[in-house]
Amino acid sequence: LAKTTQPISMDSYEGQEVNITCSHNNIATNDYITWYQQFPSQGPRFIIQGYKTKVTNEVASLFIPADRKSSTLSLPRVSLSDTAVYYCLVNTDKLIFGTGTRLQVFP
Amino acid sequence: GAGVSQTPSNKVTEKGKYVELRCDPISGHTALYWYRQSLGQGPEFLIYFQGTGAADDSGLPNDRFFAVRPEGSVSTLKIQRTERGDSAVYLCASSQGLLRDNEQFFGPGTRLTVL
Repeated sequence: LAKTTQPISMDSYEGQEVNITCSHNNIATNDYITWYQQFPSQGPRFIIQGYKTKVTNEVASLFIPADRKSSTLSLPRVSLSDTAVYYCLVNTDKLIFGTGTRLQVFP
Repeated sequence: GAGVSQTPSNKVTEKGKYVELRCDPISGHTALYWYRQSLGQGPEFLIYFQGTGAADDSGLPNDRFFAVRPEGSVSTLKIQRTERGDSAVYLCASSQGLLRDNEQFFGPGTRLTVL
């Protein structure tokens, strides 16, 4: 199973762009890369998913280099409400969560 | 439409007791997943169903844990002879299918406390 590695925590300020990088050296050909967000006392919430190159939606962008051994979640102009834990996962038929990155956004 | 719901939201029990946790998935979702989350950790996979059958139960920690989904919709996670180490938030998720690009929708979880 592909294991992911990401920073334990990050700090930012409102209005800044935040980039969280995740490594997944053992990713398989058919695996997707998925990011989830989790607030306290809630279940994780899907943010974005990709297979290669770049994916963008209304809340984030996901950059995946050609070798797919890493990926970067980009959150443009974060706000206080983006304070949460962010999980990078390699999506096989089940989700294997790591400990995630705890993002703290300051005013 | 309604999301994934889980009942109860909180459950306090005594060591050695039996508990049942219920999950109502999003209507029409064929895949259903159970995870367990301890404080400060990411969710840990337990089991998932495709329809009525358990497609992968490799995450169940031991034979005290069992889950069913008899009609392919609602699922119940059953824990026998609870231990203090079973205390955690139990999360349920559902998705449209088992394809690797299917988004999983999570419920709010059931917080289980074993005294």
